[in-house]
Amino acid sequence: AIRMTQSPSSFSASTGDRVTITCRASQGISSYLAWYQQKPGKAPKLLIYAASTLQSGVPSRFSGSGSGTDFTLTISCLQSEDFATYYCQQYYSYPLTFGQGTRLEIK
Amino acid sequence: QVQLQESGPGLVKPSQTLSLTCTVSGGSISSGGYYWSWIRQHPGKGLEWIGYIYYSGSTYYNPSLKSRVTISVDTSKNQFSLKLSSVTAADTAVYYCARAPATTNFDYWGQGTLVTVSS
Repeated sequence: AIRMTQSPSSFSASTGDRVTITCRASQGISSYLAWYQQKPGKAPKLLIYAASTLQSGVPSRFSGSGSGTDFTLTISCLQSEDFATYYCQQYYSYPLTFGQGTRLEIK
Repeated sequence: QVQLQESGPGLVKPSQTLSLTCTVSGGSISSGGYYWSWIRQHPGKGLEWIGYIYYSGSTYYNPSLKSRVTISVDTSKNQFSLKLSSVTAADTAVYYCARAPATTNFDYWGQGTLVTVSS
């Protein structure tokens, strides 16, 4: 199975900050990567797929980049509603696997 | 707007079979183009893909659970189901159903249902 490793596991930031979360795959996955946002008690929400394509309805302050093994999710100007846990997921090969999550907290 | 809703017992005894159903509204499972998925999340932990099914009945399962998992579809009811046999406390989790365009990511999710395995 392809292992997805996110960094950092958690961190604190302030509203208005630019933040970047990294996801590394244990082997190349081309651009077969998605990012999700999950708030407590809620289902994950798809933000980005194909590494950099914004899902319909997702604010443009979210962006994704990368290919191969290294990927990033960037939030350009943090809003209060962005404090959540973020997961990456590869769909290059079975089994589909997720990163362990990055918890973004308010500083 | 597609909506998914999980249903089933919230408490299952060890060694028994966990059974959940996902009802899809706002779209037809049999229209094709999507795989209908089960994903779980252990309390306070990350996400684990269990498997998915196409409307034709084709399935893909996570090898870590394959020996215990069956996913089925009932297009007449616009539902798909999960059965997980021989459960233990390690199967206690929130179970989500979700839709996957082709065999890719998950664009619509149910709200999730907590299943506790305990005697």
